[in-house]
Amino acid sequence: GQNIDQPTEMTATEGAIVQINCTYQTSGFNGLFWYQQHAGEAPTFLSYNVLDGLEEKGRFSSFLSRSKGYSYLLLKELQMKDSASYLCAALDSNYQLIWGAGTKLIIKP
Amino acid sequence: DVKVTQSSRYLVKRTGEKVFLECVQDMDHENMFWYRQDPGLGLRLIYFSYDVKMKEKGDIPEGYSVSREKKERFSLILESASTNQTSMYLCASSRQGNYNQPQHFGDGTRLSIL
Repeated sequence: GQNIDQPTEMTATEGAIVQINCTYQTSGFNGLFWYQQHAGEAPTFLSYNVLDGLEEKGRFSSFLSRSKGYSYLLLKELQMKDSASYLCAALDSNYQLIWGAGTKLIIKP
Repeated sequence: DVKVTQSSRYLVKRTGEKVFLECVQDMDHENMFWYRQDPGLGLRLIYFSYDVKMKEKGDIPEGYSVSREKKERFSLILESASTNQTSMYLCASSRQGNYNQPQHFGDGTRLSIL
């Protein structure tokens, strides 16, 4: 079956760095998305990776290892507004998104 | 910016009622999607559409139907609402073409079936 695993909840301190991991098992693979979702709001697109390696976008970076079925989202210089859920989703061979349950990130002062 | 608008943020209906959830996008996107989001579960795809009058079943279509009469509008219909359909419903749209096109989401409709 197809499956996405990510931690349910993580806690970090303002100004620190946090890494949110995601492992996937899909029928074929056409890339991996990360979304951010604040409580009560729409998910918003953060990143897309299809090639191995790290892609940096300001304070946020996303990493992919296709051979390991693994991705992570790295958030630097954490701010209180980064408190949100982070959703990982893999695109399978039929170009359908398989979604993880999301990681709730709590930022403490 | 892409705007995906869902008609209601909160909705309360009774068991057995026919329920309509409306979604409109303003960016001329070809693809539109309906998901439900429940605690502890990933987004689950109910139906999607690649073009006007076209629809495809997702992972959990039972008890739902959809309508896409115009490109910008995608409606989700609960034929006879049941309590297990209490959930957050999210509509999304995306451009066709490269598969790296992100989906853009509405703010969601929190539906309660009593």
